[in-house]
Amino acid sequence: DAEITQSPRHKITETGRQVTLACHQTWNHNNMFWYRQDLGHGLRLIHYSYGVQDTNKGEVSDGYSVSRSNTEDLPLTLESAASSQTSVYFCASSADSGPQDEQYFGPGTRLTVT
Amino acid sequence: AQKITQTQPGMFVQEKEAVTLDCTYDTSDQSYGLFWYKQPSSGEMIFLIYQGSYDEQNATEGRYSLNFQKARKSANLVISASQLGDSAMYFCAMREFPSGTYKYIFGTGTRLKVLA
Repeated sequence: DAEITQSPRHKITETGRQVTLACHQTWNHNNMFWYRQDLGHGLRLIHYSYGVQDTNKGEVSDGYSVSRSNTEDLPLTLESAASSQTSVYFCASSADSGPQDEQYFGPGTRLTVT
Repeated sequence: AQKITQTQPGMFVQEKEAVTLDCTYDTSDQSYGLFWYKQPSSGEMIFLIYQGSYDEQNATEGRYSLNFQKARKSANLVISASQLGDSAMYFCAMREFPSGTYKYIFGTGTRLKVLA
């Protein structure tokens, strides 16, 4: 069965370190997204990609970067981790066949920056 | 600017009763889609139901139905015959698709607790 996976599931890092969160999907979807979830804010879009070599900034992109070298993967990098980036991170993907396409979410990565 | 508003941070419902979770949205586009997701305590996001802006009938999926009032820009989720397993966080989301845009905007969520 097709799926979307994230690794690691839990990560503790120190302020200032570079951290990369992996996202891998086997749906063959062109669209991929990264969100962060914080209490009281719901899911906020960090970056998104509509295909290979395409990346776009979301509403909370400062301090984050992504790259898309193939259809399956969209890694999220925190260039210099800050305590404000402690959060739960979700990766998602969707098809682009029509407006009814729902997003498929990964299980999430809980990141703690100390 | 596009926006999703969920005004109920938390709600309680008695088992076997129906409950309505509110969602209002703001968009200037004529073409858009509305989604509801469930997030149980285990953390995964589960797609529940979809409503397109041009759909004339309210969407239904089992015990879930979407009360779509386009003029009021509301898309409330109705859960009938609540079960203990319905206790979760519920998110409303909107997707505009002018010119091939595929972004989704989420509300802040409503936490539902079903009481035995």
